[in-house]
Amino acid sequence: AQSVAQPEDQVNVAEGNPLTVKCTYSVSGNPYLFWYVQYPNRGLQFLLKYITGDNLVKGSYGFEAEFNKSQTSFHLKKPSALVSDSALYFCAVRVANQAGTALIFGKGTTLSVSS
Amino acid sequence: GAVVSQHPSRVICKSGTSVKIECRSLDFQATTMFWYRQFPKKSLMLMATSNEGSKATYEQGVEKDKFLINHASLTLSTLTVTSAHPEDSSFYICSARDARGSSTDTQYFGPGTRLTVL
Repeated sequence: AQSVAQPEDQVNVAEGNPLTVKCTYSVSGNPYLFWYVQYPNRGLQFLLKYITGDNLVKGSYGFEAEFNKSQTSFHLKKPSALVSDSALYFCAVRVANQAGTALIFGKGTTLSVSS
Repeated sequence: GAVVSQHPSRVICKSGTSVKIECRSLDFQATTMFWYRQFPKKSLMLMATSNEGSKATYEQGVEKDKFLINHASLTLSTLTVTSAHPEDSSFYICSARDARGSSTDTQYFGPGTRLTVL
């Protein structure tokens, strides 16, 4: 079955420290992978995506993610966390369905950055 | 660019009534829109995929007669929750897939609609 997993419900990091939010996936074929961020009572904001090419993808707000095919991972990273980065982060993967293609999401990881 | 709006942002209704939620892509054309439901502290559950000019495709377990979806134009899709019950209370989020260029798989999300059924 095609799926995406975020093994951590919550990640806590001090401001200024690097952060990593983990994501692993299971799909057939080449994966299209995405990261979105959600602030309270808001919709999701697109951060970055991997389709093909360079394994290190740079996105919005200083975030980046590294695609690792052998480990089937797509971890989200940032060199120096900000308190304003505190939010809910979702990893997603494109899958084929009866309507064409759709995204399936991980369960989300809450990032808490302390000052 | 790539802004998606939803209206209303919050709605409270009585049990048994119907509620319509609008989703608009403001600066791009979206041949495909998606409707999701999000429970507290949970991930997004895809309800249906809406293609402009055709019937929506519903995910397994989603009642198509209860959640009516219309995608009449390239910038507007609506979700109508019919005969709403308290268990329909949730956060409903739409997204639109940009049909332009090669970035056809990026979905842009609306801000969500909080539905409370009394």
